[in-house]
Amino acid sequence: AQKITQTQPGMFVQEKEAVTLDCTYDTSDQSYGLFWYKQPSSGEMIFLIYQGSYDEQNATEGRYSLNFQKARKSANLVISASQLGDSAMYFCAMREGIGGSNYKLTFGKGTLLTVNP
Amino acid sequence: DTEVTQTPKHLVMGMTNKKSLKCEQHMGHRAMYWYKQKAKKPPELMFVYSYEKLSINESVPSRFSPECPNSSLLNLHLHALQPEDSALYLCASSRLAAGTLYGYTFGSGTRLTVV
Repeated sequence: AQKITQTQPGMFVQEKEAVTLDCTYDTSDQSYGLFWYKQPSSGEMIFLIYQGSYDEQNATEGRYSLNFQKARKSANLVISASQLGDSAMYFCAMREGIGGSNYKLTFGKGTLLTVNP
Repeated sequence: DTEVTQTPKHLVMGMTNKKSLKCEQHMGHRAMYWYKQKAKKPPELMFVYSYEKLSINESVPSRFSPECPNSSLLNLHLHALQPEDSALYLCASSRLAAGTLYGYTFGSGTRLTVV
């Protein structure tokens, strides 16, 4: 079973509008972290935002916010006021467990976002 | 300094060549990683080093040989690769601390083409 599911292979949004990218996850751990990365065509993976499983408030970083619904196991990324430079692949990822033994970051399949002028 | 630097950015090699990819970070991170990414796919974990020791090998073929000479450097030695090994190779690093979960800082990758 997939641990991270991104159901939107591609999304389109008009410049200056908001867009939500979906992510659901599957884990039996109580402690885990959820991440969103942006990957432009250049290839670099750019960290956007992080949500810990014990965090009570939704994470925000500038125009990025994470809509964390723990009971539904969803961690959707909201980008407000889209810009042309936001066009990229977006990956949701999860890291499970506390301590030094689990280093794996598990990625979803990604959503390709295109911002139209 | 919050960068992970990978060299070279592009590499074309023949199937009989030997080449190396290099990754360097100066953030004091004690975990370093190699990922392989095919076009339009998510990154796939290859190797993990923690405290300069290999801790995870995701059943990677022996034609890929990782090396961690010190806490700042990570190399990936390539020998007798196949055309299907052509991909973007990403290096990443992260902190290690009990009780916390940290994300990775990625480099910009090496685009490898095997001919």
